[in-house]
Amino acid sequence: AQSVTQLDSQVPVFEEAPVELRCNYSSSVSVYLFWYVQYPNQGLQLLLKYLSGSTLVKGINGFEAEFNKSQTSFHLRKPSVHISDTAEYFCAVSDRNNAGNMLTFGGGTRLMVKP
Amino acid sequence: DVKVTQSSRYLVKRTGEKVFLECVQDMDHENMFWYRQDPGLGLRLIYFSYDVKMKEKGDIPEGYSVSREKKERFSLILESASTNQTSMYLCASSLIGGQGIAGELFFGEGSRLTVL
Repeated sequence: AQSVTQLDSQVPVFEEAPVELRCNYSSSVSVYLFWYVQYPNQGLQLLLKYLSGSTLVKGINGFEAEFNKSQTSFHLRKPSVHISDTAEYFCAVSDRNNAGNMLTFGGGTRLMVKP
Repeated sequence: DVKVTQSSRYLVKRTGEKVFLECVQDMDHENMFWYRQDPGLGLRLIYFSYDVKMKEKGDIPEGYSVSREKKERFSLILESASTNQTSMYLCASSLIGGQGIAGELFFGEGSRLTVL
């Protein structure tokens, strides 16, 4: 079974600073990878996804993530954060060989952007 | 835009009560899901449904049941609520296969349940 580890439960950062949220997954088989964002008092929404092709994936709101197969990682980055980026971020993975394409979520990283 | 609506944002129930959480989606999605969200544990799948009257257990189905009588509606039922079921419950839907080959789940805003 897949497992997803988000190495930091909380990441405090000042506005306009760069940020990286780390995500590692357990399996080396072919996978689909996702980042979801949850703003306060809201449900989750898709930020970006990797299905195939280029390992650098761009998403909404200036975020991007890089798929590294050898390190089984899919870290999320933004070069300059805004107060409005304060939210919880979830990494998720599904196994391409699993006909059900079930998603496994990480524990989440709370990004706190300070003025 | 896809809209997934959960009927109650906040509920407070007593131990042993029967609890219904309702979810409705308006985009004719085949698949619907119930997750439980707890701090540090992320989202854990309780049940999902890929068609009317069909249901499959997720990772933590114990203590829960579901009902899908219509395509747009998916209900989560706690037959006898317990304090360890205090949590945020999220409903989601997707268009195709399993949880969606493209992985794009559309989520409701969540129902925060407190069991006293």
